[in-house]
Amino acid sequence: GAVVSQHPSRVICKSGTSVKIECRSLDFQATTMFWYRQFPKQSLMLMATSNEGSKATYEQGVEKDKFLINHASLTLSTLTVTSAHPEDSSFYICSAGPEDTKLFFGSGTQLSVL
Amino acid sequence: GENVEQHPSTLSVQEGDSAVIKCTYSDSASNYFPWYKQELGKRPQLIIDIRSNVGEKKDQRIAVTLNKTAKHFSLHITETQPEDSAVYFCAARGNTGFQKLVFGTGTRLLVSP
Repeated sequence: GAVVSQHPSRVICKSGTSVKIECRSLDFQATTMFWYRQFPKQSLMLMATSNEGSKATYEQGVEKDKFLINHASLTLSTLTVTSAHPEDSSFYICSAGPEDTKLFFGSGTQLSVL
Repeated sequence: GENVEQHPSTLSVQEGDSAVIKCTYSDSASNYFPWYKQELGKRPQLIIDIRSNVGEKKDQRIAVTLNKTAKHFSLHITETQPEDSAVYFCAARGNTGFQKLVFGTGTRLLVSP
């Protein structure tokens, strides 16, 4: 399958700081990438759809000013959690695919906000 | 929008037994149904998928069936092994956007030796 790389794998930060997470498609170009959030023992909840060269599309209930998404190239999307608080602690994971159906996931980022 | 329900939430089987996980979806226009396996702390891995123009697909010990009329699809794992233990997620691609998948709530499968 296609390779999606995500960094960092784990980050611990202080409350009020911002954290940037990168998602890269290594062997294909991705005009669209997806950002999910996963709480322990729960399902994957779509946060937003990242579109290359245009604004991201956010799911209902997701604060766009809180979770900034930038998709500046065909192989890179970034998610910035701004002014992070303990309730933002979660597993964030991106996905993308080389065709219009199959999606492959990055390795995920475990965010812990102290 | 699309809504996907998944059952059971947990499933315990003995090694060698079969395991079946079922999902239902709400959007009759959905046309793609993948299954992902997620081990603890790792990324979900695509294990099998099926499109709406096919009723069944098999890959070694894993098979997926789709009933479009009833709007449900199932994952079948035969001859289960301890390494099959993981959380399995079904998903459906609704008719609302490019590649956008809606996931089920997950099934924790435990295969005991």
